[in-house]
Amino acid sequence: EVQLVESGGGLVQPGGSLRLSCAASGFTFSSYSMNWVRQAPGKGLEWVSYISSSSSTIYYADSVKGRFTISRDNAKNSLYLQMNSLRDEDTAVYYCARTIAGYYYYYMDVWGKGTTVTVSS
Amino acid sequence: EIVLTQSPGTLSLSPGERATLSCRASQSVSSSYLAWYQQKPGQAPRLLIYGASSRATGIPDRFSGSGSGTDFTLTISRLEPEDFAVYYCQQYGSVLTFGGGTKVEIK
Repeated sequence: EVQLVESGGGLVQPGGSLRLSCAASGFTFSSYSMNWVRQAPGKGLEWVSYISSSSSTIYYADSVKGRFTISRDNAKNSLYLQMNSLRDEDTAVYYCARTIAGYYYYYMDVWGKGTTVTVSS
Repeated sequence: EIVLTQSPGTLSLSPGERATLSCRASQSVSSSYLAWYQQKPGQAPRLLIYGASSRATGIPDRFSGSGSGTDFTLTISRLEPEDFAVYYCQQYGSVLTFGGGTKVEIK
């Protein structure tokens, strides 16, 4: 079964750090690009960061640039999001999503259930 | 950055009725890079449509997508009880963006 499982969320104070993980199974992780997408309580979806299959291409939303770092370990079938200098507005459910990013299409076809990050003092 | 505006914000319909959801872009979007997702409370989004009109694996044929340029539409031909949810459109240009969502609720 194709599956993504996020972990690492929790309660953190403003200015603190957190590292999210996303464990992939049931498919060849190293062949796929990945995205992190977040959803603040009661709000819509917001793209956070993208990484290509080989880690050669990385993008960030302006709202997290310079504070968050995306990475992956294809040998461990894992995706990561290092979040530093956290702010109240980073409070959200964070989803990892398998991404089809090519010349013809761009979409996210497999999503994890999400991990909750709460930034509060 | 391309802004996607979804309308209406809420659609109140009865099971069996037809739902028409709109996604309008602030500038032209490649149809290849337009997708639709369904999200139910407490669940992750689920891919419905990619490439503006191609159904994802396992998606019933009552869901269809159409449109080009700046105007895209998701149509649910006959609403089933499990279709009441929030729907998001997504585009990829230089930056990936989502629309604000349309909630389809039971009338």
